[in-house]
Amino acid sequence: KAGVTQTPRYLIKTRGQQVTLSCSPISGHRSVSWYQQTPGQGLQFLFEYFSETQRNKGNFPGRFSGRQFSNSRSEMNVSTLELGDSALYLCASSLIPVNTGELFFGEGSRLTVL
Amino acid sequence: GENVEQHPSTLSVQEGDSAVIKCTYSDSASNYFPWYKQELGKRPQLIIDIRSNVGEKKDQRIAVTLNKTAKHFSLHITETQPEDSAVYFCAASMGGKLIFGQGTELSVKP
Repeated sequence: KAGVTQTPRYLIKTRGQQVTLSCSPISGHRSVSWYQQTPGQGLQFLFEYFSETQRNKGNFPGRFSGRQFSNSRSEMNVSTLELGDSALYLCASSLIPVNTGELFFGEGSRLTVL
Repeated sequence: GENVEQHPSTLSVQEGDSAVIKCTYSDSASNYFPWYKQELGKRPQLIIDIRSNVGEKKDQRIAVTLNKTAKHFSLHITETQPEDSAVYFCAASMGGKLIFGQGTELSVKP
């Protein structure tokens, strides 16, 4: 069974640009959640999509957005990039909503903003 | 607000010793508490979880305890081995979300 796949794995952008990251969940998983990982800050929750609907959103500015497609694949977009957006972005998929069961993480997309 | 505090941020032990990582959470309605292990350069993976109707859970050398009254839970690793070296994250369910602690970098010295 294929795991969670994230693309691209690495990317470099400049301030003001926008970026789109993709996440393909494990087959059959309906929940996809996104996290920002930075040193010392742990895993900060961005949002969760369940059956194409945003189920919850974390405390991030509106520049961060996402969506989920009918095949459960998800994308997140960050517009008007800032230096502080440099981080590892992890997505996770699960059979059931994130607050109730095991999450399966992808390897992440490492974003560097110059 | 929704918050999980995790301590310590770094922990160094000798091989064979025990390690304890502690977390406190802010929402008394939280009912699911997983622990994830992230080895260097790898993805986080679930190692153990506990639900609020249970006070303790064990899986070989790993155990988690939960004190709902005090709103804290702890991870205990006994007989530590070098392969236990990693960053450990606690998490708690809050408001339909999973809120993670800041992480503990555990180093097990041979």
